[in-house]
Amino acid sequence: DQQVKQNSPSLSVQEGRISILNCDYTNSMFDYFLWYKKYPAEGPTFLISISSIKDKNEDGRFTVFLNKSAKHLSLHIVPSQPGDSAVYFCAATSGAGGFKTIFGAGTRLFVKA
Amino acid sequence: NAGVMQNPRHLVRRRGQEARLRCSPMKGHSHVYWYRQLPEEGLKFMVYLQKENIIDESGMPKERFSAEFPKEGPSILRIQQVVRGDSAAYFCASSPPKGGPQHFGDGTRLSIL
Repeated sequence: DQQVKQNSPSLSVQEGRISILNCDYTNSMFDYFLWYKKYPAEGPTFLISISSIKDKNEDGRFTVFLNKSAKHLSLHIVPSQPGDSAVYFCAATSGAGGFKTIFGAGTRLFVKA
Repeated sequence: NAGVMQNPRHLVRRRGQEARLRCSPMKGHSHVYWYRQLPEEGLKFMVYLQKENIIDESGMPKERFSAEFPKEGPSILRIQQVVRGDSAAYFCASSPPKGGPQHFGDGTRLSIL
């Protein structure tokens, strides 16, 4: 069963524009959500997170939005840069970001110069 | 670099042999997680360990796979009698005792001939 779903396998965006990556989840027990970025032949790197008590968290060019009623979160990158081209994984857990974490299948972002 | 260290980076085994994958967590981290990534798929949770204890192994195949995190030394993921379907990238992550985002190693790419 896919508790965390990223329905877009890939996304292409022009440099300088906004990238919006989406993620849906099914488990109401999830209370902490994370985004990871992964380059080829490297491990995932933590990007940004959000607790279920918030609906928005911002860190520089990256903002994560959480809609609990819709069980949906999104990652906004603005402005997008060619170096942002990578695979982005959405992840969810119950228990402050540690412990068992469920990952989505990932969305490959291409930022064109 | 005091990050999560995995070795070897690449491991080739013939069918029926044993594969041993090692992971040294970040300094100060007491929680270790193992994930498997098949080609074009996301990260699948396998097991979560603390020192000398398996906390959650719900993602581990019932046979041939085992994991340990001894009091001294790295965590080991062991696959006995490997088959072609075990070919994948295996990632290890660690987190601090009180939880928080997991930090990943760069993975071990296991190829079965």
